[in-house]
Amino acid sequence: AQSVTQLGSHVSVSEGALVLLRCNYSSSVPPYLFWYVQYPNQGLQLLLKYTSAATLVKGINGFEAEFKKSETSFHLTKPSAHMSDAAEYFCASSSYKLIFGSGTRLLVRP
Amino acid sequence: DTEVTQTPKHLVMGMTNKKSLKCEQHMGHRAMYWYKQKAKKPPELMFVYSYEKLSINESVPSRFSPECPNSSLLNLHLHALQPEDSALYLCASSQTTGGSHYEQYFGPGTRLTVT
Repeated sequence: AQSVTQLGSHVSVSEGALVLLRCNYSSSVPPYLFWYVQYPNQGLQLLLKYTSAATLVKGINGFEAEFKKSETSFHLTKPSAHMSDAAEYFCASSSYKLIFGSGTRLLVRP
Repeated sequence: DTEVTQTPKHLVMGMTNKKSLKCEQHMGHRAMYWYKQKAKKPPELMFVYSYEKLSINESVPSRFSPECPNSSLLNLHLHALQPEDSALYLCASSQTTGGSHYEQYFGPGTRLTVT
């Protein structure tokens, strides 16, 4: 069965610092992977998705993620954090339904 | 337009009430979903409609009754809910369910409180 693990329920960075949110997947077949962001009291917004076309995927708001099959990882990065990036981030894989990780709350310190 | 709309934004209901949540999308998507999200947790899938037919029911109690009147609309009828059903209810849509690479687009959710 597919599963997604997000390491770190909370990540705190300073404004302008690198953002790194970790996601590992387990799947018997090449997965389709997604990162979603959820701002307080809002729905989920798709940041980016991996569909095997390219291992480095660029998304919205300056985020990108790299698919590493050898490490079964799909970590999300952003070179320079902004206060507006503070939110909950979910990694997900897709089979007949979305399998979500437990989420990582990103805190951005001024 | 990649928007999924949901009404109402907030709903407070008693345990004996009957209410409905509504969801609409105009992206031509043929798959629509209901999720329940408790605080500090990821969304949990409740129902999937594919081409206006219920294709997945994740063992949801019968006090939740979904309906898909047409390809753009999805309702969730609520009756005799319990306080533990208080949550954010999210609707989503995708092109179809036939390809796992199709991303889902989420609405803003309805915050439900059962008193």
